[in-house]
Amino acid sequence: DTGVSQDPRHKITKRGQNVTFRCDPISEHNRLYWYRQTLGQGPEFLTYFQNEAQLEKSRLLSDRFSAERPKGSFSTLEIQRTEQGDSAMYLCASSSTSGANVLTFGAGSRLTVL
Amino acid sequence: QQQVKQSPQSLIVQKGGISIINCAYENTAFDYFPWYQQFPGKGPALLIAIRPDVSEKKEGRFTISFNKSAKQFSLHIMDSQPGDSATYFCAASMTYAGKSTFGDGTTLTVKP
Repeated sequence: DTGVSQDPRHKITKRGQNVTFRCDPISEHNRLYWYRQTLGQGPEFLTYFQNEAQLEKSRLLSDRFSAERPKGSFSTLEIQRTEQGDSAMYLCASSSTSGANVLTFGAGSRLTVL
Repeated sequence: QQQVKQSPQSLIVQKGGISIINCAYENTAFDYFPWYQQFPGKGPALLIAIRPDVSEKKEGRFTISFNKSAKQFSLHIMDSQPGDSATYFCAASMTYAGKSTFGDGTTLTVKP
């Protein structure tokens, strides 16, 4: 297992365009999380899945953001009608439900909205 | 609402010195307190973690001290090395709730 994979690593887009990020978690992990990180800040929780069920969404998450995890494997995070304020690093993490919530993060997908 | 407050924002330490980073939390329902290390271009990686039933945990050069009554915990890096230069995040979570809440990070620079 190569860990948590995210694609693309970098995305530059124009304001108003839609973007989609993909996350492949560690295969035996049934929990998957999306976080957003901006410069000088810690990761900010966006949403998380247990298997295919989306169990929680942050109240800060605009309705322009949507996440899916079909079949409980990979996940996608789509941002519609991007705004300059969406520019950030989008981090995906996974964990198992047994024991503590030890998060294994991917390297992130950096979004720049021009 | 900032539930986990971390300080200092940045820290410069000489090689061989002790680095200390502090965090304070508000929610007494938190039951798991990890520290993550992040290098540029990488995602955060778990360094060490503690539960509130113990006051200290040590792994190699890294120690967490936990003060439940004060709702504070800290990371101590002994014999700091240039390779420890990174950003460190404290976090807190409730095991059954899933998500973790992170501090804003401390950028550590260890000078040779």
